[in-house]
Amino acid sequence: DAKTTQPNSMESNEEEPVHLPCNHSTISGTDYIHWYRQLPSQGPEYVIHGLTSNVNNRMASLAIAEDRKSSTLILHRATLRDAAVYYCILRDGSSGSARQLTFGSGTQLTVLP
Amino acid sequence: DAEITQSPRHKITETGRQVTLACHQTWNHNNMFWYRQDLGHGLRLIHYSYGVQDTNKGEVSDGYSVSRSNTEDLPLTLESAASSQTSVYFCASSDSTGMRAFFGQGTRLTVV
Repeated sequence: DAKTTQPNSMESNEEEPVHLPCNHSTISGTDYIHWYRQLPSQGPEYVIHGLTSNVNNRMASLAIAEDRKSSTLILHRATLRDAAVYYCILRDGSSGSARQLTFGSGTQLTVLP
Repeated sequence: DAEITQSPRHKITETGRQVTLACHQTWNHNNMFWYRQDLGHGLRLIHYSYGVQDTNKGEVSDGYSVSRSNTEDLPLTLESAASSQTSVYFCASSDSTGMRAFFGQGTRLTVV
């Protein structure tokens, strides 16, 4: 599985945008970029995923570099409830490929009031 | 609303006992997964299933077993609990595409 590299921790001020980076220089053409987050004492929660184009949903935006070797999860206006560990995960989306997620250590986001 | 539930939420058991953790999903998902999470190790895959009667070993499967007799349930059994299996266990499910997984709230297991 292609690996991802994320900063161990980041801080943000409440109500400001947050940009969480992820490097995946060995990404293959069929790898989807998934983001999950884990709030304290809860199971991981899906945030967003994409393949080549930038993606938006009600939770966040995903900006994917043109060469796909990096991506950025954007929280447009951080709240205290967004404090969590954010995981960037690559998953091969080709037919017959594995469907499980392989988690790294993620980025611990602290939101300051 | 569809959901995925784990039970019990907390359990204390003794070394050597057999323990079964339940996972039930109402998404009608084919894929189901069990992970464990320990401090310093993140989430690691124990077993997974792509459908009824299908089970596969994950990264840390020793000492664990699963069976899939229906779509909704994937129970995780610890054959003979060991202190090293003290952990938080998460169950997850996803549809056949695997694009979005849903996780349960976790079971905190303590083996004494």
